[in-house]
Amino acid sequence: NAGVMQNPRHLVRRRGQEARLRCSPMKGHSHVYWYRQLPEEGLKFMVYLQKENIIDESGMPKERFSAEFPKEGPSILRIQQVVRGDSAAYFCASSPLGSRATNEKLFFGSGTQLSVL
Amino acid sequence: KQEVTQIPAALSVPEGENLVLNCSFTDSAIYNLQWFRQDPGKGLTSLLLIQSSQREQTSGRLNASLDKSSGRSTLYIAASQPGDSATYLCAALDYGQNFVFGPGTRLSVLP
Repeated sequence: NAGVMQNPRHLVRRRGQEARLRCSPMKGHSHVYWYRQLPEEGLKFMVYLQKENIIDESGMPKERFSAEFPKEGPSILRIQQVVRGDSAAYFCASSPLGSRATNEKLFFGSGTQLSVL
Repeated sequence: KQEVTQIPAALSVPEGENLVLNCSFTDSAIYNLQWFRQDPGKGLTSLLLIQSSQREQTSGRLNASLDKSSGRSTLYIAASQPGDSATYLCAALDYGQNFVFGPGTRLSVLP
């Protein structure tokens, strides 16, 4: 059973370009979370998605950022017109039950390191 | 709004020592608390999960406790080894359906 798969592992973009980050959850998991991590900082929640639905996007900037988790295929975090401040590690996590369960557990991917030149 | 803090921010100990990492959360309305390990440039690996009704969980040399009323959790590492060197993060699953992370404790175990 493969773990959470994220690609690419490293992504380099110039200012103004678009960045697409992909996350395939663990088999059987229908809940996906995206987090952003800056150097020497903790993980900051961005968005929580279930298949075809955005459950909570309160941590995601209103402009330039969007996320989806289609019925088929991976979850995509999309950043349009990237700026240098978007440079960070972006982590995806998946869970099987949805976060209302007391034994709900997160499984993380290895992250995508985005560098904006 | 739930806030999670961790102390110390960094810790350096000689090999073989027992140590305690601390995690505090402001809102006791949580479903569970989870401890993770993160190695440099890598993702997070789950270590222990304590449900809100539980007081502690153990896995090998690791023991995590939870005191909801005081808003605290501790991670105890026995007989530390250089391979334990990593950043340790705690995350509280609150009733708002969010996993809220602390900033982490960076642990160095010196041989």
